[in-house]
Order: sequence, then C-alpha cells, then structure tokens
Amino acid sequence: AQSVTQLDSQVPVFEEAPVELRCNYSSSVSVYLFWYVQYPNQGLQLLLKYLSGSTLVKSINGFEAEFNKSQTSFHLRKPSVHISDTAEYFCAVSHLTSGTYKYIFGTGTRLKVLA
Amino acid sequence: EAQVTQNPRYLITVTGKKLTVTCSQNMNHEYMSWYRQDPGLGLRQIYYSMNVEATDKGDVPEGYKVSRKEKRNFPLILESPSPNQTSLYFCASRPLAGTGNTIYFGEGSWLTVV
Repeated sequence: AQSVTQLDSQVPVFEEAPVELRCNYSSSVSVYLFWYVQYPNQGLQLLLKYLSGSTLVKSINGFEAEFNKSQTSFHLRKPSVHISDTAEYFCAVSHLTSGTYKYIFGTGTRLKVLA
Repeated sequence: EAQVTQNPRYLITVTGKKLTVTCSQNMNHEYMSWYRQDPGLGLRQIYYSMNVEATDKGDVPEGYKVSRKEKRNFPLILESPSPNQTSLYFCASRPLAGTGNTIYFGEGSWLTVV
C-alpha cells in the first residue's frame, strides 16, 4: 500500500536560516508528488509538484523540492526562511488505482519561523 | 476567481442535531471530496464523488453522508453528530481527467460537537 511519512511534526527555525522539511513515501507504482501549504486559518494550497522531467522543482516563493527515486523522498527546502513562511506543510502523493488517481497526504509538518 | 466555497466556517452544535456543511466550486471540476483534519493524523478523506450522482466512501466515512445532485455542489451531512466528529473539515475539487492534477481546497469548516 502507498503511504507518505513526514517524520517531523514541528520544525522551529530562526528567520533567514535554511530549512528542510522531510517527506518519504512508499509505493509500488509510479507516483506524482506534491507539497501543499496551509497558512493559519486557511485551506491548503499547492506549493509545488513533481510530475516528470527535472527532479528539482521550485515554487515562486523560494522553496524547492527534489524527487529522489532511489531514496523515495521528496524533501522540501528553502535556503532562507521568512516569518511569513510560518505555516503547516503537507507532502502528498498521487497514484493510479482502479482507473482513477488517489491522493494520500502526510500528517503535516508545522514550520515555525522565529524572529 | 477559481474557488471552493464552504459554509459555515465555524459551527458549534450539540450531539445528535443534524447538520449540513455546504460546498460549491466554480471550476467545473468533476471530482469533489471531503476531508477531515485532526492533529497528528493529517488529512483523511471522508467521501468523494467523480461526477453527478456518483459518490463513494473514502477512508473514514462512518457517521457522514454526501450527495452530488449538481456538478458544482457537494454537501456533507452529519445525520447525528457525535463529539468524535469535532474536527476541521475541508471540501476539495480537481479535474478528473489528466495526471498530477492540483487539488483545490476550501478554507475549512471548524465543527465542534458538544
């Protein structure tokens, strides 16, 4: 069965420091990979996704994630965080099952950026 | 503006009192779903629908009902709410065809059952 693991439930980091949010998945079939972000009191919104091609994907606000097939990982990184990056981040995988795509979400990592 | 709208955003109700959370999307998406979000458990799918009059159970369907009479609307019904249904609920939609489609989420509905 497919699954997504986000080992870190909370990550505190000082402003302007780098951060990495870890995501590992298990799957016996091809998957598509996503990171969603949930700002306080808001719904989830797509941050970035990997479908195919270059294994490094980037968002418009400086985040990037690299698909590593051998390690079944899709870690999210940012070289210098801002206070406004404080949010909960969800990793997700999508895979084809019974003719439709099923999405599985990780349990989320709460990023707290400290001044 | 593309959006998923759900109401109410906040609700406190009593055990056993039927309630409905409405959801509407303006993107003509075939696929709609409901999730609940609980601390430490992430997002769990309650029900989904691949088109009008086509609904199916997700991972945690017990205690919930849904209907899909129109493409844009997908209400979540709690016939007899219980305290363990206190949670944050999200409605979501996406296109059905294609691969790697982005899911669009509503802003969430905080439900407290006392």
